[in-house]
Amino acid sequence: AQSVAQPEDQVNVAEGNPLTVKCTYSVSGNPYLFWYVQYPNRGLQFLLKYITGDNLVKGSYGFEAEFNKSQTSFHLKKPSALVSDSALYFCAVRDSRGSTLGRLYFGRGTQLTVWP
Amino acid sequence: EAGVVQSPRYKIIEKKQPVAFWCNPISGHNTLYWYLQNLGQGPELLIRYENEEAVDDSQLPKDRFSAERLKGVDSTLKIQPAELGDSAVYLCASSLSSGRYPDTQYFGPGTRLTVL
Repeated sequence: AQSVAQPEDQVNVAEGNPLTVKCTYSVSGNPYLFWYVQYPNRGLQFLLKYITGDNLVKGSYGFEAEFNKSQTSFHLKKPSALVSDSALYFCAVRDSRGSTLGRLYFGRGTQLTVWP
Repeated sequence: EAGVVQSPRYKIIEKKQPVAFWCNPISGHNTLYWYLQNLGQGPELLIRYENEEAVDDSQLPKDRFSAERLKGVDSTLKIQPAELGDSAVYLCASSLSSGRYPDTQYFGPGTRLTVL
């Protein structure tokens, strides 16, 4: 079965410092991985995805993610955090087989707080 | 380009009452998804449509939940009767397709349902 784990419920970082939000996955078939961000009372906004190719994926708002097949991880990173990055971040893996093709499986989310 | 539109944004009802949510996907997107997001959790798929056809509804509680996507565009999700445990955010998403290529799913702002 497909699943995603986000081991940290909360991540706190000072503005200007690098940030990392961790994600590990379990999937049958090709790993198609996504990061979304959710602001209060808003839907999920797409940040980036890994399909194939370069293990370092660049996305919106200066975020990037590193795919590591051997460690089954897809950690979200940003070199310099902004206060406005404070939000709830979700990692997801896409089902690539059978009747559940296309279904996204989300982690529980990680609350990122960037303090001034 | 307009995003996924959902209405209402908020709904408060008493238990045993019916409720309906509406979604208008991004123009040209053939695939539409309804997700349920409980507090402190990631979204979970309820149903996926390819055009008018529900192709993945295995997680839809069919005793009280129903959905339709007439003409392959707008969709309505209904609960009848609502229970206290249905209080959650209902998210609609759309993508170009859900075939073997992992198209990005774009989410609407969601409908926050409170059942009293």
